[in-house]
Amino acid sequence: AQTVTQSQPEMSVQEAETVTLSCTYDTSENNYYLFWYKQPPSRQMILVIRQEAYKQQNATENRFSVNFQKAAKSFSLKISDSQLGDTAMYFCAFMTPNTGNQFYFGTGTSLTVIP
Amino acid sequence: GAGVSQSPSNKVTEKGKDVELRCDPISGHTALYWYRQRLGQGLEFLIYFQGNSAPDKSGLPSDRFSAERTGESVSTLTIQRTQQEDSAVYLCASSYLFEHNEQFFGPGTRLTVL
Repeated sequence: AQTVTQSQPEMSVQEAETVTLSCTYDTSENNYYLFWYKQPPSRQMILVIRQEAYKQQNATENRFSVNFQKAAKSFSLKISDSQLGDTAMYFCAFMTPNTGNQFYFGTGTSLTVIP
Repeated sequence: GAGVSQSPSNKVTEKGKDVELRCDPISGHTALYWYRQRLGQGLEFLIYFQGNSAPDKSGLPSDRFSAERTGESVSTLTIQRTQQEDSAVYLCASSYLFEHNEQFFGPGTRLTVL
């Protein structure tokens, strides 16, 4: 079975500071993909960043970067220079082709950026 | 360049009634997913379509839930004899065939069962 755990239900960060959201997952698969999605109050889910498990290099998208530790099954998201628009729920997700392309989501972390 | 759309955006119904939720994926996306999101919780996978067929229906909570997709386009999620525990936001997402492509989500349908 595949599981995704986000142990921080709520976090806050001062504007312009850096924050790290944690995510761990459990799987016996070797071929998989990891994602961070953002869900603002508008409810629209938006992909933030994606990591292929076979890539050792950590993915980076502008102010967003991940720390992917495959052996530890850890996939944390770092947001640098936090902006007010970063306030949202953040979901970590896992997908492996070996389970029919099903995505598994964590329970989410609510991030508030404080002006 | 329309994204994924869902209708209705909000639905209030009485316990025991049937409801139909619609999803219009992005044109050309072969994969379509349905999720349920209860208040304050994460996404619960319901069903996944590859083209018009659903290889995995294991996520459907009960036999009151069914879904279909036609023309590799529109999908309908039907909930029969709704119960109060069915109250949630139902999200639809679509993607291209290859698994590493991102899912594009619709805005969801908020279902309230009184």
